Amino acid sequence: AQTVTQSQPEMSVQEAETVTLSCTYDTSESDYYLFWYKQPPSRQMILVIRQEAYKQQNATENRFSVNFQKAAKSFSLKISDSQLGDAAMYFCAYRTGNQFYFGTGTSLTVIP
Amino acid sequence: DAMVIQNPRYQVTQFGKPVTLSCSQTLNHNVMYWYQQKSSQAPKLLFHYYDKDFNNEADTPDNFQSRRPNTSFCFLDIRSPGLGDAAMYLCATSRGRNEQYFGPGTRLTVT
Repeated sequence: AQTVTQSQPEMSVQEAETVTLSCTYDTSESDYYLFWYKQPPSRQMILVIRQEAYKQQNATENRFSVNFQKAAKSFSLKISDSQLGDAAMYFCAYRTGNQFYFGTGTSLTVIP
Repeated sequence: DAMVIQNPRYQVTQFGKPVTLSCSQTLNHNVMYWYQQKSSQAPKLLFHYYDKDFNNEADTPDNFQSRRPNTSFCFLDIRSPGLGDAAMYLCATSRGRNEQYFGPGTRLTVT
């Protein structure tokens, strides 16, 4: 069975600093996709970044980047130059076919 | 702007009284999903439609049903809501294997 584990229920970071959120997953599939979603309080879930498993290069989106370690089944999210607006729940998600699996989330606090 | 719309945003229903939540999309995506999200938890997939093909998760209670009359609309029917069904219900869409786009959710309260 596919599972997604986020071992950090809560994280905090000083504004302008860098923080890394961890995610591991378990799968026997070779073809899959990984995502990080952001869900601000009482607001819509939005995509932060995606990674195709067949790509060795780590995805980046402005201040957001991932460290994808396929052999270790690890997919961490690095947020650089953290901003107050980055405060949210972050969910790691795994997709194979039309099946999505979410981790339990990491609540990120940004300290001014 | 293309988007996923959910109505209503807040729904209050009585214990055992059927309720329907709706989702519409202007993205023309072929896959639509319904998730249940309880406070501080991950979204839990209830079911999804791949085009007209309905796919039910094994642990989705029979109390939950869904309809997709056309590409744009999808409905979640809760036949006899219990107190444990109070949650945020999220609708999402995707095209093929691409990422999901989420609606703002409907918060269901059961009294």
